Amino acid sequence: EVQLLQSGAEVKKPGESLTISCQGSGYTFTNYWITWVRQVPGRGLEWIGIIYPGVSETRYSPSFQGQVTMSADKSINTAYLQWNRLKASDTARYYCALGGSDIKTYYNLAFDMWGQGTMVTVSS
Amino acid sequence: QSVLTQPPSASGAPGQRVTISCSGTSSNIENNLVHWYHQPSGAAPKLLIFSNRHRPPGVPDRFSASKSDTSASLAISGLQSEDEGDYYCASWDDTLKRHVFGGGTKLTVL
Repeated sequence: EVQLLQSGAEVKKPGESLTISCQGSGYTFTNYWITWVRQVPGRGLEWIGIIYPGVSETRYSPSFQGQVTMSADKSINTAYLQWNRLKASDTARYYCALGGSDIKTYYNLAFDMWGQGTMVTVSS
Repeated sequence: QSVLTQPPSASGAPGQRVTISCSGTSSNIENNLVHWYHQPSGAAPKLLIFSNRHRPPGVPDRFSASKSDTSASLAISGLQSEDEGDYYCASWDDTLKRHVFGGGTKLTVL
């Protein structure tokens, strides 16, 4: 069974750093795009970026470029989303989701399996 | 303000048919694939329709979708209470160079 298991909820202060994780199982982790999506409470979905774990190729939304960093550790089938300096406006639930297997096609992807989400709260 | 425009709400009685529209531009819907997601309250989104009109395994044929020019639509027939939640359309935008989502449509089964 294909699954994406995300790390637990986090409460942080502005200016702190944070890394959240997304562990894949039931498929070949290195061969499928993983995307990250933000959802501010009560709001819609926003695309952050996408990573191909096999070669750590990444594409960022211009809105999030420089604000977050995506990475992956193939040895433990885990993708990461990292902040160096959190802001209150980063408060949201963050989802990872599984895309297609073609390394050339990071666009036009449907995300057919989603993690349960990680709630990040940034407050002083 | 979302790049793809959806009505904020829709409703119907059990057994009825509802449609949800998604309006975009030539930068996204017209020249790229459209996908639809369902997000029940408090849960993660789930893929409902991919590549304009295809259903993943397990999605009942009560759900159908189409695309024409810069618009897409999702139809749900035989409404059931479990269909409640938020529905999002999504596509790639060639100008913005990112995946874009509609603002979401909240479906209520009366």
